[in-house]
Amino acid sequence: QVQLVQSGAEVKKPGASVKVSCKASGYTFTSYYMHWVRQAPGQGLEWMGIINPSGGSTSYAQKFQGRVTMTRDTSTSTVYMELSSLRSEDTAVYYCASSVAGTQMDYWGQGTLVTVSS
Amino acid sequence: DIQMTQSPSTLSASVGDRVTITCRASQSISSWLAWYQQKPGKAPKLLIYKASSLESGVPSRFSGSGSGTEFTLTISSLQPDDFATYYCQQYNSYPFTFGQGTRLEIK
Repeated sequence: QVQLVQSGAEVKKPGASVKVSCKASGYTFTSYYMHWVRQAPGQGLEWMGIINPSGGSTSYAQKFQGRVTMTRDTSTSTVYMELSSLRSEDTAVYYCASSVAGTQMDYWGQGTLVTVSS
Repeated sequence: DIQMTQSPSTLSASVGDRVTITCRASQSISSWLAWYQQKPGKAPKLLIYKASSLESGVPSRFSGSGSGTEFTLTISSLQPDDFATYYCQQYNSYPFTFGQGTRLEIK
């Protein structure tokens, strides 16, 4: 069965960077795109961007351009999302979610809480 | 960016009720719309894709309709497990965008 397992919670100081991982199993890693979506406490869902694990191409939401980098390691079936220049407003649960050809998000990771605090 | 607007923001209903949630897009998205259910502390779960296709394993009391800019999610007979927050999401074009959510609560 498809599983997306994310790395554990992080606490970072303002200005630092965080790198969250998402390890996929149960399917051919390069056949599904991977999205990153975040959710601030008590708020809605916000799409951050997408990576095609096959070739590594990415598309980011304008809001995060210049601060976010999505990468993948096909040898371990893992995608990564790195967010830099963290500020308190980046405190959120970050989710990875897979989709066929960048369509609806079929499977989701369990979420990773990133707390930004001085 | 395409803006997605859901209504209502909160909906109070009872077990057995039929409920409808509306999602409007700021421009046409054809049928490239998904609906998700989220419970507190959990990841969202896909319910409906391509506006009206039921995801495998999702109960048939959930249905979706619409195209262009107006979409609805209907739950035909509310069950206790359905009280949650629902989000629509367009995948017509990047950046993908979500509605603000509809919280379905017990009356």
